[in-house]
Amino acid sequence: GAVVSQHPSRVICKSGTSVKIECRSLDFQATTMFWYRQFPKKSLMLMATSNEGSKATYEQGVEKDKFLINHASLTLSTLTVTSAHPEDSSFYICSAAEGTGSQPQHFGDGTRLSIL
Amino acid sequence: GNSVTQMEGPVTLSEEAFLTINCTYTATGYPSLFWYVQYPGEGLQLLLKATKADDKGSNKGFEATYRKETTSFHLEKGSVQVSDSAVYFCALSEADSWGKLQFGAGTQVVVTP
Repeated sequence: GAVVSQHPSRVICKSGTSVKIECRSLDFQATTMFWYRQFPKKSLMLMATSNEGSKATYEQGVEKDKFLINHASLTLSTLTVTSAHPEDSSFYICSAAEGTGSQPQHFGDGTRLSIL
Repeated sequence: GNSVTQMEGPVTLSEEAFLTINCTYTATGYPSLFWYVQYPGEGLQLLLKATKADDKGSNKGFEATYRKETTSFHLEKGSVQVSDSAVYFCALSEADSWGKLQFGAGTQVVVTP
């Protein structure tokens, strides 16, 4: 079946550095991917919709300059957390869907980001 | 706006017990409804879905029926196993906001031998 690969699975870095997370659809093309953030013992909150070849659409309250999204191809979207600080520590998950309509999202395994 | 409400956990039960996780929703249109499962340390996996009223989604012994009259999509399994221990998320997707998922808070299920 369809698979979404997310890399890295875990990253620990110092405050002030930038971290890039990749999300790939392995056996299908995804014109749209989604980035979610999950706080400990909380639900997933949609951060932004990543659109291939155009700008991402951010949800209210998400800083565009802090969370840079690039969707350069039909199989790859990247999320860069710029100048990361401890409050950015979280579990970030991407998803993608085949086709349009009511097709279900396939999720990556997530990236555990820890900022020291 | 849209919202999904599901029962709080954790839900602790013994192996072979019956499991029900309640989920209700509010939506302006006719959403598709989903249950996702998250095993420890992993991402989300689609468990089942229903796209219209009275549809029943089923997978791995789990079932949920799309009830428009009660705006509910309760998850049930007749006999749980230890391997069913996970966090379960109810979610909806509106037809006009394709792919965007609105999640419930998640319900942790712990099954003991």
